Amino acid sequence: TQLLEQSPQFLSIQEGENLTVYCNSSSVFSSLQWYRQEPGEGPVLLVTVVTGGEVKKLKRLTFQFGDARKDSSLHITAAQPGDTGLYLCAGDAGNNRKLIWGLGTSLAVNP
Amino acid sequence: GAGVSQSPSNKVTEKGKDVELRCDPISGHTALYWYRQSLGQGLEFLIYFQGNSAPDKSGLPSDRFSAERTGGSVSTLTIQRTQQEDSAVYLCASSEGLRQPQHFGDGTRLSIL
Repeated sequence: TQLLEQSPQFLSIQEGENLTVYCNSSSVFSSLQWYRQEPGEGPVLLVTVVTGGEVKKLKRLTFQFGDARKDSSLHITAAQPGDTGLYLCAGDAGNNRKLIWGLGTSLAVNP
Repeated sequence: GAGVSQSPSNKVTEKGKDVELRCDPISGHTALYWYRQSLGQGLEFLIYFQGNSAPDKSGLPSDRFSAERTGGSVSTLTIQRTQQEDSAVYLCASSEGLRQPQHFGDGTRLSIL
């Protein structure tokens, strides 16, 4: 069974701090997607990473796909209260199988 | 609208009653997914459709849960003889294909009294 483990499970920080959350697996994925879910809403896609070693930036958010395509990280610089939410990663294992979802990192950024 | 639409947004019902949840996917999306999410938790996969067929029903918790999709579009998730442990947010998503990024509705919050 392929699993995606996300860490930390919970994170509470002050506005302006930097943070990194992780999405790890022992399996290789052909691509990996990151989503953010705000309270009362469904998850929204942030980015898809495809190539091993790839780095993508979305304003203050930096996403990296591991060289071996088994893991990914999300780094947020100078966090703001608007970054608060549940961050989910989902891996595409290929072979026409559905996405594999992590359990998420719940981030709270306090003013 | 152009997004995934779910109805009702909230549903409160008594234990033992049947409930039906509806999902209108983005037009043209062939894949449709149902998930369950408890408060603050990750997504629990229930079932997905490719067109009107459901190749993977492995996540349905029990035979009280069923889903169908018609016309390659609207889907309904039915829970019979509801139990208190069925209380959760039920999310629907659609995508252009099985492995493509998923677009989510805002969910139906189901409360069983």
